[in-house]
Amino acid sequence: QITLRESGPTLVKPTQTLTLTCTFSGFSLSTPMLGLGWIRQPPGQALEWLALIYWNDDKRYRPSLESRLTITKDAPKNQVVLTMTNMDPVDTATYYCAHFRAIPAGRWFDPWGQGTLVTVSS
Amino acid sequence: DIQMTQSPSSLSASVGDRVTITCRASQGISTFLNWYQQKPGKAPKLLIYAASSLQSGVPSRFSGSGSGTDFTLTISGLQPEDFATYYCQQTYSTLFFTFGPGTKVEIK
Repeated sequence: QITLRESGPTLVKPTQTLTLTCTFSGFSLSTPMLGLGWIRQPPGQALEWLALIYWNDDKRYRPSLESRLTITKDAPKNQVVLTMTNMDPVDTATYYCAHFRAIPAGRWFDPWGQGTLVTVSS
Repeated sequence: DIQMTQSPSSLSASVGDRVTITCRASQGISTFLNWYQQKPGKAPKLLIYAASSLQSGVPSRFSGSGSGTDFTLTISGLQPEDFATYYCQQTYSTLFFTFGPGTKVEIK
């Protein structure tokens, strides 16, 4: 059974750097065709994909946020860390991590962690 | 960037109704289209992947179809637990995954 859990601060000040950790079990991030992604959801709004790291350490970022995002993995520790610099109140959202799988016919996120609400306020 | 649109943005339906939600991509995405269900305060749950493959454990009343730019999620016989928001997502572009804006299914 795959499980994921996000952890990190619930409140950050504007201009600060957010560091979120996803701790997972039930799979290895060294397994080909697997990955782990981060998705956020501002209150009352739609889902927004942020970043993805593949089993081979290949990384993808949302273009509009690429300069602010860094995703890294620690496969032996079963953790993936997302950092986002220069936080702003508009970054207030629930942040989810999710298991990613790719096959020739498709790619998807499943399952997801429970999410963690991050509020940006002074 | 590939843009995703969904229609309708919301709908009201009764238990037992057949519900259809449409998702359209701004360019062809083959069958790299997923559907997720999200209930208030909960994480999204994968329903359909690769446009028409039912995720394990998901009731068979959910089905997906389409390819290219036009896709459909159908719920055949709406159940009380199906009232939620539904999102489509394209994963064709490996540089930028995009979610649709969501469709809220409410009780009539």
